[in-house]
Amino acid sequence: KAGVTQTPRYLIKTRGQQVTLSCSPISGHRSVSWYQQTPGQGLQFLFEYFSETQRNKGNFPGRFSGRQFSNSRSEMNVSTLELGDSALYLCASSATSGGLFTDTQYFGPGTRLTVL
Amino acid sequence: AQTVTQSQPEMSVQEAETVTLSCTYDTSENNYYLFWYKQPPSRQMILVIRQEAYKQQNATENRFSVNFQKAAKSFSLKISDSQLGDTAMYFCAFMKHSRGLGTYKYIFGTGTRLKVLA
Repeated sequence: KAGVTQTPRYLIKTRGQQVTLSCSPISGHRSVSWYQQTPGQGLQFLFEYFSETQRNKGNFPGRFSGRQFSNSRSEMNVSTLELGDSALYLCASSATSGGLFTDTQYFGPGTRLTVL
Repeated sequence: AQTVTQSQPEMSVQEAETVTLSCTYDTSENNYYLFWYKQPPSRQMILVIRQEAYKQQNATENRFSVNFQKAAKSFSLKISDSQLGDTAMYFCAFMKHSRGLGTYKYIFGTGTRLKVLA
């Protein structure tokens, strides 16, 4: 099976702009989670989607939003970019059927966002 | 709230030697799962090993094994016969299901940067 894919791999934006990141999960996986990774904060959970519904949300401002499509692909949007949004954004997918193996998350390569 | 602590920001080990990365966590839950992930310099996060809290037996995957001490809330990773390709950031993660919500929550430690020396 193909792994989790994320596009684009690199992005450079300026403050105030908005950005959309995309994630395609492993085939058959219905849960997609997003994380922000920074050197100082580690991995911070943004949100999780399952069957096009947001099931869980981390402590990020409303500028961060997401959605999931019927094919389980997910997008994350950040509006009004700030310098502090510069980070590696990771997407992870899982099958989610309530067990260790099905709830194990598999990660994509990430999108490196730089805000100038 | 659950927390995961990796107290060793950086470690190094000679090739072919054994190294142990520490991880402690705090939770009042009885049923949960623990993971070690590896993130090489290329950035793709890779699952190394996983453990169910209700299983006494320590998980093993080839050269990787864990020492799971539930009462002490400790979940260390041992890498035997270290190889240059083991150079990476290692993250410990805790996961539990959210009752009634049909979802789960992962909490990651801040990572340990391991360098394998030739």
